[in-house]
Amino acid sequence: KAGVTQTPRYLIKTRGQQVTLSCSPISGHRSVSWYQQTPGQGLQFLFEYFSETQRNKGNFPGRFSGRQFSNSRSEMNVSTLELGDSALYLCASSPPGLARSETQYFGPGTRLLVL
Amino acid sequence: KNQVEQSPQSLIILEGKNCTLQCNYTVSPFSNLRWYKQDTGRGPVSLTIMTFSENTKSNGRYTATLDADTKQSSLHITASQLSDSASYICVVGTSGTYKYIFGTGTRLKVLA
Repeated sequence: KAGVTQTPRYLIKTRGQQVTLSCSPISGHRSVSWYQQTPGQGLQFLFEYFSETQRNKGNFPGRFSGRQFSNSRSEMNVSTLELGDSALYLCASSPPGLARSETQYFGPGTRLLVL
Repeated sequence: KNQVEQSPQSLIILEGKNCTLQCNYTVSPFSNLRWYKQDTGRGPVSLTIMTFSENTKSNGRYTATLDADTKQSSLHITASQLSDSASYICVVGTSGTYKYIFGTGTRLKVLA
């Protein structure tokens, strides 16, 4: 079974631009979560989608948005990029089942550099 | 406030030695606790996951313990190998608003 895939793997943008990142979960997984990882802050939760609906949202500004499609693929968009948005963006999918036993499977991440 | 604290921040050990990483949390309501291994530039990989009723879980040379009363967990690595060099992240799952609370990780370096 293929793992979580993320595209692109690397991205360079300039301040003010916008960016869209893509995540394909493991087949059969309906929950997709997005995280931002920076050296200083560690992993921070952005949002979670389940069956095309945003189920949880972290404490990030409205410039960060996402969506999930009917095939469970998810996209994350960041508008008006700032230097501080440079980070590794990780996507994770979870299998259906009891929340207490859920395991998240992470993709390799998209490394975004904002100049 | 929901928090997960890990110690030490970084650790250097010699190949073949054992080590123990610590995780203290103040997360409520508690759902589960997992340990992840993250190699540089790659996504985290799950090592163990424990629910409230479990106090130990092993995965090869990795053994995690959980004390739900003191809200502490540890990850013990036995007979370390060079490939164990990575960041180890403790994550507490909550059934509250934010589903997963991440620690900032312990960076382990194993030297030959």
